[in-house]
Amino acid sequence: GQQLNQSPQSMFIQEGEDVSMNCTSSSIFNTWLWYKQEPGEGPVLLIALYKAGELTSNGRLTAQFGITRKDSFLNISASIPSDVGIYFCAGPRISGTYKYIFGTGTRLKVLA
Amino acid sequence: ETGVTQTPRHLVMGMTNKKSLKCEQHLGHNAMYWYKQSAKKPLELMFVYNFKEQTENNSVPSRFSPECPNSSHLFLHLHTLQPEDSALYLCASSQQNSHGPNTEAFFGQGTRLTVV
Repeated sequence: GQQLNQSPQSMFIQEGEDVSMNCTSSSIFNTWLWYKQEPGEGPVLLIALYKAGELTSNGRLTAQFGITRKDSFLNISASIPSDVGIYFCAGPRISGTYKYIFGTGTRLKVLA
Repeated sequence: ETGVTQTPRHLVMGMTNKKSLKCEQHLGHNAMYWYKQSAKKPLELMFVYNFKEQTENNSVPSRFSPECPNSSHLFLHLHTLQPEDSALYLCASSQQNSHGPNTEAFFGQGTRLTVV
């Protein structure tokens, strides 16, 4: 079945640094979603991508839909302490019922 | 007002108790979901409802019983839970159409459940 592999699993960075994380799949997706989850809260949608090759920004966040439709990247520029959290990629299952596949998450910690 | 609202935010219950989690979405979506999130584990899909019909039950034990009275409300009834059921329970909603797969899913803030 469809699975999403997310890397890195965790990152410790200094405030002001740029961050890159990615998500890969063995099968294609038509939509890529990126979420951020803070402790004790639900995931919040950051960026949605709908077309292969699409590059979309949301403030300091930029995400790209890979041309092969099997991967996606999220970049955070000039990180700040409030960027701390777990970042998940997700995509809807291509066939079958209405189910989202989630990556295992990248845990980000920003050192001031 | 947030798009997806879950109550309560925190719940502590004994193994012999019966309680219910509530989810309400104000986005006009036609699909709703229950997810379980345990510490250091990926999100686990539990149930999916589409147009009030249950379309997926991901091998969830019968001590969890979902109810979807209309497309805006979703409940998760809990009875005789075990300590390992302690987790963050997340509700989500999305809009489905007849042409293809889902668009974005929006999550509630979750209910932190502790079973003692």
